[in-house]
Amino acid sequence: GAVVSQHPSWVICKSGTSVKIECRSLDFQATTMFWYRQFPKQSLMLMATSNEGSKATYEQGVEKDKFLINHASLTLSTLTVTSAHPEDSSFYICSANVGESTSTDTQYFGPGTRLTVL
Amino acid sequence: QQQVKQSPQSLIVQKGGISIINCAYENTAFDYFPWYQQFPGKGPALLIAIRPDVSEKKEGRFTISFNKSAKQFSLHIMDSQPGDSATYFCAAGANFGNEKLTFGTGTRLTIIP
Repeated sequence: GAVVSQHPSWVICKSGTSVKIECRSLDFQATTMFWYRQFPKQSLMLMATSNEGSKATYEQGVEKDKFLINHASLTLSTLTVTSAHPEDSSFYICSANVGESTSTDTQYFGPGTRLTVL
Repeated sequence: QQQVKQSPQSLIVQKGGISIINCAYENTAFDYFPWYQQFPGKGPALLIAIRPDVSEKKEGRFTISFNKSAKQFSLHIMDSQPGDSATYFCAAGANFGNEKLTFGTGTRLTIIP
């Protein structure tokens, strides 16, 4: 299947700092990438949909000024958590679409980034 | 109308048995139904997915059954093994998976010897 990578895999930062997380599709071009957030023992909650070359679409309740998303190329999307606080500590996961396809293997997930804000 | 309801929340199955996890959706626009397997500290891995033009899909020990009229779908794991112990999420989306997915709440599966 298609491979999606994330960097870093884990990060610890001080409260008030900003953290950037990268999501890359390694062997395909992804016109659409998605960012999810997952708290321990909970399901994945969609934060935003990122389309290459356009502004991200945020889900209700997600602060767009706090979670900045940039999708500069067909293989890279970044999520920046600005002025991070302890409540932002979570597991952030991206996914990418392989594009219009007749198969059922269309959306692949990255390995996730564990963010801990002290 | 966007919810996907998943049950059970947790499941214990003996090695060699059949594990069954169920999901139900409400949005009739959904036309893509994947199942993901997630191990602790890892991202979800696509296990198997189905589109509503078929009622069943099998890949190895994993089978999806789909009932369009009831708006339900399920995952069956045959000959369950300890390595299958993980959390399983069902999801649903529109445009054959090219749009955002709505996830179920997850099922923690434990396979005991």
